[in-house]
Amino acid sequence: NAGVMQNPRHLVRRRGQEARLRCSPMKGHSHVYWYRQLPEEGLKFMVYLQKENIIDESGMPKERFSAEFPKEGPSILRIQQVVRGDSAAYFCASSRDYGELFFGEGSRLTVL
Amino acid sequence: QQPVQSPQAVILREGEDAVINCSSSKALYSVHWYRQKHGEAPVFLMILLKGGEQKGHDKISASFNEKKQQSSLYLTASQLSYSGTYFCGTDTGNQFYFGTGTSLTVIP
Repeated sequence: NAGVMQNPRHLVRRRGQEARLRCSPMKGHSHVYWYRQLPEEGLKFMVYLQKENIIDESGMPKERFSAEFPKEGPSILRIQQVVRGDSAAYFCASSRDYGELFFGEGSRLTVL
Repeated sequence: QQPVQSPQAVILREGEDAVINCSSSKALYSVHWYRQKHGEAPVFLMILLKGGEQKGHDKISASFNEKKQQSSLYLTASQLSYSGTYFCGTDTGNQFYFGTGTSLTVIP
């Protein structure tokens, strides 16, 4: 039973480019969360999704950031026109209902 | 919305005890505790549900006071492997936020 899979593990982008981060939740999990973590800082909530629905996106910047969790396929966090301040580790977590969160290994974005 | 943890950082010698506190301004359905080692993903430790329950395994336990919207994580007889950053996670029913984090370092 595979865990939460995130890809890419590392992504380098130049300012102004787009970054797409993917997260495949554990089998049977319908809840997906995205968190951003800067070096030596905590996990900042970005967005909570269930299949085809955004439940809470209060932690996501209004511009340039979007997330989806389609009926089929992985959840995607999309960052348009990246800036240096977007450099961070982005963690995805999934859960079955409101229980334990299982985390992926994270995607580390570096913006040059 | 983000729960507040205290202390921010603590250094222990092997065998000493520590308490990490988590406080929320919102009513909670449950509290989770996670540990994250540097460069790794957070790992689940335990979940506490409404009802003021207390849980534990090995030498790590936790309590949840739903009336005060607070939880505490207790580490007894700490081991080197306990080092890491501890996060509480609070579930308000439709939102899940992690606390500010507590860095714990255990030294020989």
